Amino acid sequence: SAVISQKPSRDICQRGTSLTIQCQVDSQVTMMFWYRQQPGQSLTLIATANQGSEATYESGFVIDKFPISRPNLTFSTLTVSNMSPEDSSIYLCSVSRLGTNEKLFFGSGTQLSVL
Amino acid sequence: AQSVAQPEDQVNVAEGNPLTVKCTYSVSGNPYLFWYVQYPNRGLQFLLKYITGDNLVKGSYGFEAEFNKSQTSFHLKKPSALVSDSALYFCAVRDGGYGQNFVFGPGTRLSVLP
Repeated sequence: SAVISQKPSRDICQRGTSLTIQCQVDSQVTMMFWYRQQPGQSLTLIATANQGSEATYESGFVIDKFPISRPNLTFSTLTVSNMSPEDSSIYLCSVSRLGTNEKLFFGSGTQLSVL
Repeated sequence: AQSVAQPEDQVNVAEGNPLTVKCTYSVSGNPYLFWYVQYPNRGLQFLLKYITGDNLVKGSYGFEAEFNKSQTSFHLKKPSALVSDSALYFCAVRDGGYGQNFVFGPGTRLSVLP
């Protein structure tokens, strides 16, 4: 299985600031995704992180608000910009392994609270 | 477009009794179906999947699920529930013919009572 290290595990931030979340995988993976899980809700896909190019965003999510980088096959970052209390959620990094794209592995998540 | 429904927000069962968590889906092509479990303050853990083959799939921690194509269902089951099974369960589907995106259901909270 793929081991995913996601950090920070939690943070409390002030309105208007930005937070960058890091996701490191222990092996090369084909796909990396960022999900949001709002309190008491299911998972919503924010974007697919593409190596060396701009991420592919889902409807309702934009690059200015959620810039994503993926410089190589094992690392990605998600930034939550100009935060408001509505951004308080769990943010989850997820990956599919190289050659076995049948299931997703998840990081432990980042619990973000915006005051 | 893909979609997943989990008709029950909450399922309560007594320890030792069988449990069922329901899931129905909709996809255009062949369904790839998954169950994940989420414990408090944790990420999602994979339980089992159906891609092709036998309709009854067995997974981690004694869980199993049955794929029913005519009813477009993929219910999660366990013969004897444990208190430690109490968690949030998500059904997910990926359309095998189109792209990589997974769609998750709304989740069902399982409470196993001692």
